[in-house]
Amino acid sequence: LAKTTQPISMDSYEGQEVNITCSHNNIATNDYITWYQQFPSQGPRFIIQGYKTKVTNEVASLFIPADRKSSTLSLPRVSLSDTAVYYCLVGGLTGGGNKLTFGTGTQLKVEL
Amino acid sequence: DVKVTQSSRYLVKRTGEKVFLECVQDMDHENMFWYRQDPGLGLRLIYFSYDVKMKEKGDIPEGYSVSREKKERFSLILESASTNQTSMYLCASTQNSGRGLGETQYFGPGTRLLVL
Repeated sequence: LAKTTQPISMDSYEGQEVNITCSHNNIATNDYITWYQQFPSQGPRFIIQGYKTKVTNEVASLFIPADRKSSTLSLPRVSLSDTAVYYCLVGGLTGGGNKLTFGTGTQLKVEL
Repeated sequence: DVKVTQSSRYLVKRTGEKVFLECVQDMDHENMFWYRQDPGLGLRLIYFSYDVKMKEKGDIPEGYSVSREKKERFSLILESASTNQTSMYLCASTQNSGRGLGETQYFGPGTRLLVL
């Protein structure tokens, strides 16, 4: 099973860049890496997804090294509204059956 | 936008009761999922379904069952609720475009269940 490990919490200040790393040593060939954001009393919301190298969209970047054993979510210039829990998800169909593993999440706190 | 709705935001039940949690999605997605979320444990997959009347066990299926009679609706059933099933329950759906379980998941708002 592709277990994922993330820091439990991180603190930052408005305007700074935040990088959250997720380790997934047992990632399978068919697995994609997806990051979600969750606010209190809401379901998680998709941020970004990648398979390898670098992916960028309007809210974040995702860096995946060649061995794919980790990934880093980069949030440029965070604001107070980015305070949330961020989850790393590794999943895909494999020859051994279906696997889908969420990390335990990283609580990001952004202050003034 | 994809909309995933869950029948209740908050639910209080007694031990031994049969509990139904309903989830409906409006985007014709093939795959639907049920998770529970507990402090310090993140999201854990209970069951998922990739087609009508089809289901697969996730990581923690014990004490739960599911039903998918229509494509848009996926129900989670607690046959005899217990206090250790007090949790936040999240439903999600995805389309099926070849990425398997790597598809982007769209979540509902969650149901907070308290079993007394």
